[in-house]
Amino acid sequence: AQSVSQHNHHVILSEAASLELGCNYSYGGTVNLFWYVQYPGQHLQLLLKYFSGDPLVKGIKGFEAEFIKSKFSFNLRKPSVQWSDTAEYFCAAVSGGYNKLIFGAGTRLAVHP
Amino acid sequence: EAGVAQSPRYKIIEKRQSVAFWCNPISGHATLYWYQQILGQGPKLLIQFQNNGVVDDSQLPKDRFSAERLKGVDSTLKIQPAKLEDSAVYLCASSLMTGGYDGYTFGSGTRLTVV
Repeated sequence: AQSVSQHNHHVILSEAASLELGCNYSYGGTVNLFWYVQYPGQHLQLLLKYFSGDPLVKGIKGFEAEFIKSKFSFNLRKPSVQWSDTAEYFCAAVSGGYNKLIFGAGTRLAVHP
Repeated sequence: EAGVAQSPRYKIIEKRQSVAFWCNPISGHATLYWYQQILGQGPKLLIQFQNNGVVDDSQLPKDRFSAERLKGVDSTLKIQPAKLEDSAVYLCASSLMTGGYDGYTFGSGTRLTVV
């Protein structure tokens, strides 16, 4: 069955530290990949998405993600985090065959000033 | 553009009672989704509509959950009777195209507590 795995459930960083959140998916064919962010008390917001083309995708707020097909991975990165990045981050995937958005369990990020 | 509207924001009910949630998607979005997000987990798809037809309800506990999307616009999700394990945030999302090629837009959700 299709699935999305996020390696870290909780990450704690200091401001200005670099961030990398891992995401792996289990689909074998064409896949569309997403990263969503959920700030405390707010709804899910799209950070970035990958459909095809350049495997390095840039999103909002300085986030980027790299699609590595051979590793079935779509890791999220940010070179320097801010306190305002404190939130929960969800990786999600849609495969061409299944057509439904499947989420990972999420990573809760806490950034300390 | 207006976002996905959901109501109520919060609901507390006793087990075995019934509850209904309402969703109004972005105007023109043909595809509508209901997700259940249990604390500490990622959202789980319950049901997907394309216009007013069900595309996927394989994860919907049909003995207690039901959903409809009359006229292909608004949707309601009902639980009857509720169980303690139904405590979760219920999210509605919509997209213009099947497969989310245009992205999915989520509502703020309804937080259900079953006591």
